[in-house]
Amino acid sequence: GAVVSQHPSRVICKSGTSVKIECRSLDFQATTMFWYRQFPKQSLMLMATSNEGSKATYEQGVEKDKFLINHASLTLSTLTVTSAHPEDSSFYICSAPGQYSTDTQYFGPGTRLTVL
Amino acid sequence: GESVGLHLPTLSVQEGDNSIINCAYSNSASDYFIWYKQESGKGPQFIIDIRSNMDKRQGQRVTVLLNKTVKHLSLQIAATQPGDSAVYFCAENGAGANNLFFGTGTRLTVIP
Repeated sequence: GAVVSQHPSRVICKSGTSVKIECRSLDFQATTMFWYRQFPKQSLMLMATSNEGSKATYEQGVEKDKFLINHASLTLSTLTVTSAHPEDSSFYICSAPGQYSTDTQYFGPGTRLTVL
Repeated sequence: GESVGLHLPTLSVQEGDNSIINCAYSNSASDYFIWYKQESGKGPQFIIDIRSNMDKRQGQRVTVLLNKTVKHLSLQIAATQPGDSAVYFCAENGAGANNLFFGTGTRLTVIP
């Protein structure tokens, strides 16, 4: 099956710094990828849709200047949390639709961000 | 001030018993539904899906039931095993959209 990877799996940073999270589709191309955020004991909340070759689409309430998304290639999307604060600490998960069936979403293993 | 987060509903079952996890979805125009399993610290793992033109679909040890009249989805796990312990989420695609909207989730604990 299709595999999506994320890097890093865990990151701890100081408040005010920026953190970049990578999402890669390993054996298929993805013109669209999705970024989710999950707080402890809560569900996944869609943050934004990453589009290769065009601007990302952000969900209501998500600051696009804080969460920068770049879909650099057909297999890579990056999420940069700028000027991170403790309230940005969360589990960030990306997904990509299957190449042959866009209904099927393949999820990455997630990135645990802790901002001190 | 103190923030109050959501608390996941929980379900505890004895090993070997059947489990039923329920989900209410919101968008009557959604036409594709998926159940995911999420273990601690990991991304969601696909379990089974169903389209709105069906009301039942079976997989290996799992069955999904869809009741569009009341916008209700359920996941049945037969002969539940300790490895089934996880949080289970239903997701809907919001009327043909590529992205998914997740339900609140249910924590399943299997008692050996």
